[in-house]
Amino acid sequence: ETGVTQTPRHLVMGMTNKKSLKCEQHLGHNAMYWYKQSAKKPLELMFVYSLEERVENNSVPSRFSPECPNSSHLFLHLHTLQPEDSALYLCASSQDGTGRGYTFGSGTRLTVV
Amino acid sequence: KQEVTQIPAALSVPEGENLVLNCSFTDSAIYNLQWFRQDPGKGLTSLLLIQSSQREQTSGRLNASLDKSSGRSTLYIAASQPGDSATYLCAVNSGSARQLTFGSGTQLTVLP
Repeated sequence: ETGVTQTPRHLVMGMTNKKSLKCEQHLGHNAMYWYKQSAKKPLELMFVYSLEERVENNSVPSRFSPECPNSSHLFLHLHTLQPEDSALYLCASSQDGTGRGYTFGSGTRLTVV
Repeated sequence: KQEVTQIPAALSVPEGENLVLNCSFTDSAIYNLQWFRQDPGKGLTSLLLIQSSQREQTSGRLNASLDKSSGRSTLYIAASQPGDSATYLCAVNSGSARQLTFGSGTQLTVLP
């Protein structure tokens, strides 16, 4: 384990379901991120939280809703997803966003059917 | 908008060869650049971090260089081993949100 833990590791959901992805870090980092990795495409930054405030939202559809209740936990709430949303969702954390100590979780492999 | 390009997209070499992976970026106003390794279906492991004021970083058989003015970085792997087989990702830290922008990666296969 890297210090960033993501659950579940795999998720299959229907287009009408509601589910949540969870990310947890106990590295003392104060910034957390959600990335999406689709086949044959670069990692795409979805959301950035710094000191529990959202500082970046890269035009992500509203069917993805992040939540950062404290500096150690980050959630991604999923609602009425599309098959093209199937991807590997990676969580990362860093210390003050400088890139030092940028640590990724193992990801959640999401399949939307 | 920062864009990161990695070439080649895939590389296959026999064990023991030295090899170079390339990364280029469009906006030279960066804080730092990182090289990551990703094994199939797994998360990313940070290999080397080069600050914008540095020219290179070394870790074991890995050496990464940075030429910020030309927007280029290279990752040199010496004496490659089958265990080095993975996808190598270059990421640039830039912008007001200090976010990482990733390249598409180079998929490396080292043949025994």
